[in-house]
Amino acid sequence: ETGVTQSPTHLIKTRGQQVTLRCSSQSGHNTVSWYQQALGQGPQFIFQYYREEENGRGNFPPRFSGLQFPNYSSELNVNALELDDSALYLCASSLVGLAYREQYFGPGTRLTVT
Amino acid sequence: GESVGLHLPTLSVQEGDNSIINCAYSNSASDYFIWYKQESGKGPQFIIDIRSNMDKRQGQRVTVLLNKTVKHLSLQIAATQPGDSAVYFCAERGWESGGGADGLTFGKGTHLIIQP
Repeated sequence: ETGVTQSPTHLIKTRGQQVTLRCSSQSGHNTVSWYQQALGQGPQFIFQYYREEENGRGNFPPRFSGLQFPNYSSELNVNALELDDSALYLCASSLVGLAYREQYFGPGTRLTVT
Repeated sequence: GESVGLHLPTLSVQEGDNSIINCAYSNSASDYFIWYKQESGKGPQFIIDIRSNMDKRQGQRVTVLLNKTVKHLSLQIAATQPGDSAVYFCAERGWESGGGADGLTFGKGTHLIIQP
């Protein structure tokens, strides 16, 4: 069984730039969720994708957007980067069809905005 | 504000002792709770979960207790080992609607430190 993978591991961007982060879900999982984890805090839910559509969103502005592909992999795009976007971005996959759909996380992408 | 929180930011225990990590939640509609362990530089690792229709669930060396009356969740780790050192998060899910979003709400975490 293949776990959740994310790329890149680390990334440094300048304020105002755009960034794309990638996630491959765990084998057999069809749902991907994205979270932002600031230093010393718990993860915060950004959004979830199921059947290639956004399926719920947390309190994040529209400049945070995403995609899910037919193979269930996903991208997180952030436009007009701000310094406060510096964080660990986590992807989690789960399987719709299981009653309580536990989520399994990848190792994250560390984004630094300067 | 935070929907899910933890009572202590840091917990220090002796190796071999039992650890109890506590969590309070505020959303009475939450139907599912999960404990995650996060080691430095890694993503959260699933430990154990519990549904709102249960009050106790046991795993290997871990037990989760849910008290819906006072909206309290705890994680008990038996015979704590050095490898248990990590930040522990409780998380809740507040809604479920068919294929609807499963966004989890996390607390800030408790850093478990194991003393030799």
